[in-house]
Amino acid sequence: AQTVTQSQPEMSVQEAETVTLSCTYDTSESNYYLFWYKQPPSRQMILVIRQEAYKQQNATENRFSVNFQKAAKSFSLKISDSQLGDTAMYFCALRTRRSGSARQLTFGSGTQLTVLP
Amino acid sequence: SAVISQKPSRDICQRGTSLTIQCQVDSQVTMMFWYRQQPGQSLTLIATANQGSEATYESGFVIDKFPISRPNLTFSTLTVSNMSPEDSSIYLCSVALGGTSTDTQYFGPGTRLTVL
Repeated sequence: AQTVTQSQPEMSVQEAETVTLSCTYDTSESNYYLFWYKQPPSRQMILVIRQEAYKQQNATENRFSVNFQKAAKSFSLKISDSQLGDTAMYFCALRTRRSGSARQLTFGSGTQLTVLP
Repeated sequence: SAVISQKPSRDICQRGTSLTIQCQVDSQVTMMFWYRQQPGQSLTLIATANQGSEATYESGFVIDKFPISRPNLTFSTLTVSNMSPEDSSIYLCSVALGGTSTDTQYFGPGTRLTVL
């Protein structure tokens, strides 16, 4: 079974500052994918960033970057130059690479991030 | 990515009635998924819907309660049957884009259901 843990239910950051959201996971698979999704008050789930486990280089998307520590099974999200529009619930998710039912996403419980003006 | 729409965006229903939620995507996709997000909670997978085959339901979800149709590669419906207040949730569809083992899921805007 796969598990994803987000230990920070709520966080806040001042506008223009940097914040890091934590995520740990557990899987017996060696090939898998990790994702961060954001869900603003509009409730639309938006893909923020994706990381392939076999790639050592950390993924980056503009102001969003990850710190992927495979041995520690840690996958944190760093948001630089935080903007008011970054206020949302952030979910960490894990998917294994095998086809079939194992392709389903396992989500963490979420971290509510509030960017303060 | 893909453009995914859901109808209705929200609804308020009476106990004992049924609601059908539609999910439309602007490109052909093999796998579509239906999730439930109860208030203040994370997402829980209800079922996986592949075109041309029966939907695969996760533990705790049954076809009689959540019948799913997948008539073609761009459309799916989820029906919430014989509703009770416990069914009040956001229901989201998602599609898997990419290769067989490398796909990424993209989500629709969700349907907020309130059952009185």
